[in-house]
Amino acid sequence: KAGVTQTPRYLIKTRGQQVTLSCSPISGHRSVSWYQQTPGQGLQFLFEYFSETQRNKGNFPGRFSGRQFSNSRSEMNVSTLELGDSALYLCASSLTTGGYNEQFFGPGTRLTVL
Amino acid sequence: SQQGEEDPQALSIQEGENATMNCSYKTSINNLQWYRQNSGRGLVHLILIRSNEREKHSGRLRVTLDTSKKSSSLLITASRAADTASYFCASRGSNYKLTFGKGTLLTVNP
Repeated sequence: KAGVTQTPRYLIKTRGQQVTLSCSPISGHRSVSWYQQTPGQGLQFLFEYFSETQRNKGNFPGRFSGRQFSNSRSEMNVSTLELGDSALYLCASSLTTGGYNEQFFGPGTRLTVL
Repeated sequence: SQQGEEDPQALSIQEGENATMNCSYKTSINNLQWYRQNSGRGLVHLILIRSNEREKHSGRLRVTLDTSKKSSSLLITASRAADTASYFCASRGSNYKLTFGKGTLLTVNP
């Protein structure tokens, strides 16, 4: 069974631009969660999608948004990029929502904002 | 703020020794999970322990959970150089979110 895939793996953007990251979950998994990882703040929960609906959201500004498609693939978008958005963005999939099951993580997208 | 906090922040041991990492959390939980991350890559799920369980084993891993103290520990026995990684606990609380601690960096020296 293929694992969670994330594209692109690396991105370099400049302040003010916007970026879209993509995540394909494991086949059969309907929940996709997104996390931001930085050295200072650690792993922070962004949001979770299940059956195309946002089920949970972390404490991030509205510049961070996401969506999930009918095939469970998910995208997250960051608009008006700031230097502080530089981070490793991790996507994780699981069978069900709500953190009841283990999550399978993708390799991440390393975003650098200049 | 982080739900879970790992202790110690960094741990350096010799191959063959046991490594113990602790995790504390703040609110009641449904389950607590441990993950490993190798050098800036994705996380790998190690073990999940539910709130009504006290101990769980998986290979060389042993996890305990004390809900009265809101704490958990991860023991890795007979450590190997390949165990070098960051280890995170993640608690699933009543808000249905999985909240991660800041992790313990384990270095196993050959």
